[in-house]
Amino acid sequence: DARVTQTPRHKVTEMGQEVTMRCQPILGHNTVFWYRQTMMQGLELLAYFRNRAPLDDSGMPKDRFSAEMPDATLATLKIQPSEPRDSAVYFCASAAGNMNTEAFFGQGTRLTVV
Amino acid sequence: AQKVTQAQTEISVVEKEDVTLDCVYETRDTTYYLFWYKQPPSGELVFLIRRNSFDEQNEISGRYSWNFQKSTSSFNFTITASQVVDSAVYFCALSLIQGAQKLVFGQGTRLTINP
Repeated sequence: DARVTQTPRHKVTEMGQEVTMRCQPILGHNTVFWYRQTMMQGLELLAYFRNRAPLDDSGMPKDRFSAEMPDATLATLKIQPSEPRDSAVYFCASAAGNMNTEAFFGQGTRLTVV
Repeated sequence: AQKVTQAQTEISVVEKEDVTLDCVYETRDTTYYLFWYKQPPSGELVFLIRRNSFDEQNEISGRYSWNFQKSTSSFNFTITASQVVDSAVYFCALSLIQGAQKLVFGQGTRLTINP
């Protein structure tokens, strides 16, 4: 049963600490997305990659967020330093490269910054 | 820019009632996909359906049906004979066919089915 795997599922950290969230896309999927879900903003796209190259990260605060794909099986989203307003659920999703497939979402990482 | 509007923030019905979730979208592009995702209390996002802008045929899958009308830019979702397990937040989303498949989501409709 292919699925997107995100770790950790929950993270509580203190303001100012670095946070790293990880995502393992479905094997063979070459497009990876990072979304953030908050009560106020809903689901918003932070960044996405195709074939490990970043295509769009305009939704991401550049000063503290960074997203990378060290290899085809791992995507990371880092926040440094974290702030309370970063508290949200962060979803990773992956899709095959052609236009005929939908994006499959992981279970999300619930981040709380205190 | 694309926009998706789900005007119904919350809906509550009694089990076995039919319920329709509304979705209105905006885009200047003529080729796009529309989606519905379900987010149950456990939190994951579950894909339900994708339709492309060329295909306005309605679709039925068990108790679920979708009504796509380009003339009104709507893609409504109906659950027939609702069940408690249908309780979730439902999101409508849009992505362009040209370019990446990044999704623009509506704000979601929280559906509660009461026994």
